[in-house]
Amino acid sequence: DTEVTQTPKHLVMGMTNKKSLKCEQHMGHRAMYWYKQKAKKPPELMFVYSYEKLSINESVPSRFSPECPNSSLLNLHLHALQPEDSALYLCASSPTKVNYNEQFFGPGTRLTVL
Amino acid sequence: QQQVKQSPQSLIVQKGGIPIINCAYENTAFDYFPWYQQFPGKGPALLIAIRPDVSEKKEGRFTISFNKSAKQFSLHIMDSQPGDSATYFCAASRDSNYQLIWGAGTKLIIKP
Repeated sequence: DTEVTQTPKHLVMGMTNKKSLKCEQHMGHRAMYWYKQKAKKPPELMFVYSYEKLSINESVPSRFSPECPNSSLLNLHLHALQPEDSALYLCASSPTKVNYNEQFFGPGTRLTVL
Repeated sequence: QQQVKQSPQSLIVQKGGIPIINCAYENTAFDYFPWYQQFPGKGPALLIAIRPDVSEKKEGRFTISFNKSAKQFSLHIMDSQPGDSATYFCAASRDSNYQLIWGAGTKLIIKP
């Protein structure tokens, strides 16, 4: 299985809502990533988990809260978002030994904040 | 030093032509150079990648050429098809680092 899955595909939320994005992979990868992508821009790294521990936080506002419950799952909890947070949110995974920058991306969640 | 400069920003090629997308980097510590293909509304898909110990790598119709001395690498698409129309991103990273440094992207259109 070489797939990263993400749910939901689309999400519309108000600024006072709390929602979560989910990501799953079954490639045995021990590094997982959250990216944010705006239109016509490259993905922008938000968080990296390595062996279920947060290893990189790219100064992301606290209204985004990542969680890695186990080696296959990654969540992104959203609270009190702003309209400018509307974007495509991408999850990725990679090996942690050989070729560990070989990142495989999921299809993304299109988030709209009203 | 951390930048990867990608050109052109957009490219239109007739079907069967060979689009070429170029990237340049400054950081000589980079040792992994992938190309990603992204269709609208989808996640980037890893297309092909190269390490600095080889000057060329081919996978199907996609070829990466790598010039270590010039600190440049490029993607060539042979016998291009309308289905290749997508945005292409180059990237670079160091093996000791999980972070990919991305180029700005190239929107490629293949005309039938």
